[in-house]
Amino acid sequence: EVQLVESGGGLVQPGGSLRLSCAASGFTFSSYRMNWVRQAPGKGLEWVSYISGSGSSAVHYADSVKGRFTISRDNAKNALYLQMNSLRGEDTAVYYCARDTGLGVDYWGQGTLVTVSS
Amino acid sequence: ETTLTQSPAFMSATPGDKVNISCKASQDIDDDMNWYQQKPGEAPIFIIQEATTLVPGIPPRFSGSGYGTDFTLTINNIESEDAAYYFCLQHDNFPYTFGQGTKLEIK
Repeated sequence: EVQLVESGGGLVQPGGSLRLSCAASGFTFSSYRMNWVRQAPGKGLEWVSYISGSGSSAVHYADSVKGRFTISRDNAKNALYLQMNSLRGEDTAVYYCARDTGLGVDYWGQGTLVTVSS
Repeated sequence: ETTLTQSPAFMSATPGDKVNISCKASQDIDDDMNWYQQKPGEAPIFIIQEATTLVPGIPPRFSGSGYGTDFTLTINNIESEDAAYYFCLQHDNFPYTFGQGTKLEIK
């Protein structure tokens, strides 16, 4: 069974940093691209970032996070990460880890809440 | 960037009804459109891939149609368990983009 479990969310002050993790199981992690997607309270979904299966061939970011967020993965640990720096109020959201087959997202985690507030 | 315009934002249906949810893309995305269902507090569930293909395990009352810029999710013979938030996703180009979502209420 495919499982994606996010962690690392919490309350952080504006300008602060946070690192999200996603533990993957039930599939060959290195064979799949991965994404981070977020949903602000009461808002729709926003794609944040993408990384290829190897982690080295392709990464993409939404303009809203480019230069502040860094996606990475450790295939030996079956883990996906999102390093978030210079956080702003508008980054407040539930962050989802999502598996990508190459034909878009198929599985999603339950999400982890990030709140940016003083 | 491909903008997805999803409609309606909210709809109410009675068990047994047929409903259609529309997603229009601002540019041609071939069939690179997926549909998802999300219930409060739960992870989204993948229901339609590549515009028309039902994901294994999803009831056949769900179907998808469309190509290019106009796409539709159809739910036939609505059941009470179908009450949820539905959204579309285009994966033709980066940035991936989502429709604004449709909240489906069952009376």
